[in-house]
Amino acid sequence: SYEVTQPLSVSVALGQTARITCGGNNIENKNVHWYQQKPGQAPLLVIYTDKRRPSGIPERFSGSNSGNTATLTISRAQGGDEADYYCQVWDGTTAYPFGGGTKLTVL
Amino acid sequence: QVTLKESGPALVKPTQTLTLTCAFSGFSLSSSGMRVSWIRQPPGKALEWLARIDWDDDKFYSTSLKTRLTISKDTFKNQVVLTMTNMDPVDTATYYCARTNGGGAFEIWGQGTMVTVSS
Repeated sequence: SYEVTQPLSVSVALGQTARITCGGNNIENKNVHWYQQKPGQAPLLVIYTDKRRPSGIPERFSGSNSGNTATLTISRAQGGDEADYYCQVWDGTTAYPFGGGTKLTVL
Repeated sequence: QVTLKESGPALVKPTQTLTLTCAFSGFSLSSSGMRVSWIRQPPGKALEWLARIDWDDDKFYSTSLKTRLTISKDTFKNQVVLTMTNMDPVDTATYYCARTNGGGAFEIWGQGTMVTVSS
């Protein structure tokens, strides 16, 4: 099965840029999606297919995917961005592996 | 507006069968390209995809749970049902349903329903 790895935690100063990585073998050949999950809430799709933003998601959220690493970038981080972030991969098969999640702390 | 809502028992005993219902609105599962998945999340742990059903009634299951899962749909009621047999305490989790797009993203999620497996 395909394994996806994320750092357990990332910290960012208020107003600065946070980068959360998602690692996997040749992940650039797969669709990578990103979800934000706040305590007690369902996940929210914030980036799909590497870099596309769903309607209503701020432009501060962006994504990239190259080589063995996909990255979620959050510019001008706000306190409301504190959450767990999960990447999820899809390659057209019937498996949807998730990463273990990254806790983002805004200092 | 697309919404999904899960329902089912909050508590099941070990070895019992769990039946969960996802009631949705704002789209039809008989329309080409529509898909609904189930995903679960044990307390404090990561998300895990379980199963998916498509508009054409194609069904797909997690390899590790395939023998225990059945997914079905009732197009007229706008519902998707997931059954999981032989429940175990390790299956304690919040269970979500989500509309799934053609690129494998879970684009709209329900609020989730918490299921505890305990005797």
